[in-house]
Amino acid sequence: GAVVSQHPSRVICKSGTSVKIECRSLDFQATTMFWYRQFPKQSLMLMATSNEGSKATYEQGVEKDKFLINHASLTLSTLTVTSAHPEDSSFYICSARRRDRDVLGGYTFGSGTRLTVV
Amino acid sequence: RKEVEQDPGPFNVPEGATVAFNCTYSNSASQSFFWYRQDCRKEPKLLMSVYSSGNEDGRFTAQLNRASQYISLLIRDSKLSDSATYLCVVNLYNQGGKLIFGQGTELSVKP
Repeated sequence: GAVVSQHPSRVICKSGTSVKIECRSLDFQATTMFWYRQFPKQSLMLMATSNEGSKATYEQGVEKDKFLINHASLTLSTLTVTSAHPEDSSFYICSARRRDRDVLGGYTFGSGTRLTVV
Repeated sequence: RKEVEQDPGPFNVPEGATVAFNCTYSNSASQSFFWYRQDCRKEPKLLMSVYSSGNEDGRFTAQLNRASQYISLLIRDSKLSDSATYLCVVNLYNQGGKLIFGQGTELSVKP
């Protein structure tokens, strides 16, 4: 089946530093990658949508200069949290849509990254 | 108003019980619907899609009422392993296929 490998699974960083999270589709091509954030006891909130080779589209209220998304290939998308602060501590998770599926299905989630900023 | 709203929970039920979750969505352009299951500190996993005619998968039955913009999930003969958070999800086809998640309903099945 389709697998998305997300790394790191857990990261602790100091306030003010940047953290990069990678999502790789291992056995399929992902034309679209969705990035979500989930705070404790809350739902997954969509941060941005990226299509391979083009700029990401950010949801309202998400700072594009703080959350840098790169989707340079059909198998790799990255999210960089720049100048991280404690309020950025959250569970970040990616979801890839397969190239061979339409917009109604074919989503595969990464295993998530738990970011703690101290 | 949230785009997808669910029962607040948590639901604490004994093994063998039948439990029902409700969900409403506000965007009438929503095209497809799902129930996901999320275990603590893990990624969500697709439980089942929801079709207009209603569909069943073993002990799980999902219903969709497009006119009322209402989705439900029924779990029969609850097992301990059913303990998780259940997420109601809608797909916005006209917005590039974004998945919008409800806040989730926590289920705890006790022996």
